[in-house]
Amino acid sequence: ETGVTQSPTHLIKTRGQQVTLRCSSQSGHNTVSWYQQALGQGPQFIFQYYREEENGRGNFPPRFSGLQFPNYSSELNVNALELDDSALYLCASSLGEGPGANVLTFGAGSRLTVL
Amino acid sequence: EDQVTQSPEALRLQEGESSSLNCSYTVSGLRGLFWYRQDPGKGPEFLFTLYSAGEEKEKERLKATLTKKESFLHITAPKPEDSATYLCAGKSGTYKYIFGTGTRLKVLA
Repeated sequence: ETGVTQSPTHLIKTRGQQVTLRCSSQSGHNTVSWYQQALGQGPQFIFQYYREEENGRGNFPPRFSGLQFPNYSSELNVNALELDDSALYLCASSLGEGPGANVLTFGAGSRLTVL
Repeated sequence: EDQVTQSPEALRLQEGESSSLNCSYTVSGLRGLFWYRQDPGKGPEFLFTLYSAGEEKEKERLKATLTKKESFLHITAPKPEDSATYLCAGKSGTYKYIFGTGTRLKVLA
């Protein structure tokens, strides 16, 4: 059973640029959510995708957007990068329903630095 | 506003010195209180889910308990390999998890 994999692991961008982060969910999981974790902070919910539709969103502006593909993998896109976007971006997958639906399985994250 | 607060921020223990981590929560429509462990450079790893006050769960040296306002993670006779950041999260509604800022635990040999 493969876990959640994210790419790239590290990247550096400059202010105003755009970035795409990718995530492959754990085998059998159909729900993907994204979190932003600033240094020394807990993860903050960005949004969740279920069956290719966004079904929940946190307090993040529209320049944070995402996609989920038929194989349940996902992308997080951030436009017009700002310095405060520097953080660890975590992808988590879960079952949409049934036993274990509440448990998030996290990837190792993508560390984004905005200069 | 939904909120999860963890204390202490950091904790240093000698090997074998038991202690407890605290998680205070105010989460509307709580659908579970979760504990995760996070090692440096890695994503959080699931430990426990608690659903109702009075519930307890154990795993090796760890035991999690839940009241109507707080959860505790008790660490009995910790070892250096227990060193990590421990995160608490409350699930609000169907999809949103509200995380605390974590407790950084260091266990000294």
